[in-house]
Amino acid sequence: AQSVTQLGSHVSVSEGALVLLRCNYSSSVPPYLFWYVQYPNQGLQLLLKYTTGATLVKGINGFEAEFKKSETSFHLTKPSAHMSDAAEYFCAVSVGYSGGSNYKLTFGKGTLLTVNP
Amino acid sequence: DAGVIQSPRHEVTEMGQEVTLRCKPISGHDYLFWYRQTMMRGLELLIYFNNNVPIDDSGMPEDRFSAKMPNASFSTLKIQPSEPRDSAVYFCASNPSRKYTGELFFGEGSRLTVL
Repeated sequence: AQSVTQLGSHVSVSEGALVLLRCNYSSSVPPYLFWYVQYPNQGLQLLLKYTTGATLVKGINGFEAEFKKSETSFHLTKPSAHMSDAAEYFCAVSVGYSGGSNYKLTFGKGTLLTVNP
Repeated sequence: DAGVIQSPRHEVTEMGQEVTLRCKPISGHDYLFWYRQTMMRGLELLIYFNNNVPIDDSGMPEDRFSAKMPNASFSTLKIQPSEPRDSAVYFCASNPSRKYTGELFFGEGSRLTVL
């Protein structure tokens, strides 16, 4: 079974400040990890993903995340927040292989990011 | 390619009425998922299909909920009778097993309000 824990349901930063959204996962098999973003009244949009290879992955809008197996973490960062980054962010995990019967994503509860001017 | 298409985008109905939500997955995607999003519970997986066959419906809350996938390009989620606690945003998502990356492609959701 897999699970995701996002620390902090609400994070508030000032424009230009570092954004750090925390995600820890639990998985009995090598995971694939994802960050999705949801803007108000919209669907989920993929920000970035880790499958295999380089543990530091870059996504859209200047976001990046680092897969740390020893810490079972996949925290999302952005060096400088912009007002347009205000949204809800979801961390998710799936099994890291094809085949079998489990293709579903398990999501965290989400972190609402507020950016103050 | 067109993305996952859901309809209606918004539905307001009265308690006891039947509600049908529709989804068209991305062409060539053989997995289809229905998720529900609420403030209290976050994103919950309700059911998913592979090649039109339901694989896991353990997330369906109760018998009032049913889902079908009559063909590769269409799925429905039905609630009968609806209750106020069913108010939520319902998302459909799909992915292709033959090009597996784990990523799900989401529709824009159907916001259901049951009065």
